[in-house]
Amino acid sequence: EPEVTQTPSHQVTQMGQEVILRCVPISNHLYFYWYRQILGQKVEFLVSFYNNEISEKSEIFDDQFSVERPDGSNFTLKIRSTKLEDSAMYFCASSEARRQSTDTQYFGPGTRLTVL
Amino acid sequence: KNQVEQSPQSLIILEGKNCTLQCNYTVSPFSNLRWYKQDTGRGPVSLTIMTFSENTKSNGRYTATLDADTKQSSLHITASQLSDSASYICVVIDTGRRALTFGSGTRLQVQP
Repeated sequence: EPEVTQTPSHQVTQMGQEVILRCVPISNHLYFYWYRQILGQKVEFLVSFYNNEISEKSEIFDDQFSVERPDGSNFTLKIRSTKLEDSAMYFCASSEARRQSTDTQYFGPGTRLTVL
Repeated sequence: KNQVEQSPQSLIILEGKNCTLQCNYTVSPFSNLRWYKQDTGRGPVSLTIMTFSENTKSNGRYTATLDADTKQSSLHITASQLSDSASYICVVIDTGRRALTFGSGTRLQVQP
């Protein structure tokens, strides 16, 4: 069964450094998403991406964050200058872009980001 | 602002027993409600999707109900198995958006 994959599984970085988290969505999917989950807290929406542009973003997704689909398979999240509070599990998800009410989002296994 | 409240926070049951998890939500305008299962350290996995007009939806041993008038949903797990040990998260979406709003989840532990 097709699945969303993410690399790396764990990333450790120093505060102020740039990180890029990578995702390979399911191949026939057209909508892509990033969510994050701080340890012990709820999963939170960051951004959705469709047709090569951001379709929706949350208040968390500020100028420090950017997303890109550099080729036909990868979807990336870049954090320009990491802060301690960026430490979290970051989940990528993708969906087929059916009707909004029935479009299932499939999640990857996550990348655990630790900012020191 | 969308809000999702779940109860109980945690639950321990014996293998083979049934349980029911509760969700209260505030979302406007409502589009649909989903239940996800999340194993520790893993991504959420969709169990059910229910729109405004659906009262009940089943997926194997999982049965979700929705009362759009009282803005409540429940997830009933029948004949629990050890592999059901996970967090069960209620998720809502409002019309016109695709961003999921997650609840805090109910952490279920099934013991032998």
